[in-house]
Amino acid sequence: AQKVTQAQTEISVVEKEDVTLDCVYETRDTTYYLFWYKQPPSGELVFLIRRNSFDEQNEISGRYSWNFQKSTSSFNFTITASQVVDSAVYFCALSEAQRSNDYKLSFGAGTTVTVRA
Amino acid sequence: KAGVTQTPRYLIKTRGQQVTLSCSPISGHRSVSWYQQTPGQGLQFLFEYFSETQRNKGNFPGRFSGRQFSNSRSEMNVSTLELGDSALYLCASSLGGGTYEQYFGPGTRLTVT
Repeated sequence: AQKVTQAQTEISVVEKEDVTLDCVYETRDTTYYLFWYKQPPSGELVFLIRRNSFDEQNEISGRYSWNFQKSTSSFNFTITASQVVDSAVYFCALSEAQRSNDYKLSFGAGTTVTVRA
Repeated sequence: KAGVTQTPRYLIKTRGQQVTLSCSPISGHRSVSWYQQTPGQGLQFLFEYFSETQRNKGNFPGRFSGRQFSNSRSEMNVSTLELGDSALYLCASSLGGGTYEQYFGPGTRLTVT
């Protein structure tokens, strides 16, 4: 079963528009970590944020913000006032901390964001 | 601080051959994970090493193997290459594994013909 679902395959916006990326996860653990990564055309995955399951405070970092809601198992990501340089594939990932031998990230399928000038 | 480095960046091999990919983690990081990225399957976990011990392995055949050295550098090996092994292989380093931030290298693009 898919542990992380990113329902949006592609999103295309015009520069300065806001973009919200959806992420829904599935886990039985009470302790887990959620991540967002960005993969620009160069191919290298860039770490954006890590949140643990006990911290539901929303976070803002510059033009990026994250909305974590345990009640709906969602960890959504918003880019405000998008720029062309934001064009990339964005991945949501889950790490389940309670399993003794689980040291991996389970990734969603990714959402391709294209920002047009 | 230098990032994660992977060598080689590009590789073309023939079916049946074997290949070794190398990864040097960020200084001080003891965990190295490997992922395979393909258009069809997305990002899939291969294995994770910590202090020279494999702690977790994904659902890949035994043709995929790895190891980690005392300096935390890691190698992965794929034997008897198949066309379906063509992929971007990404290495990630972290302080302690999956629950920590993992920092990825640029990847090795493997093409099997």
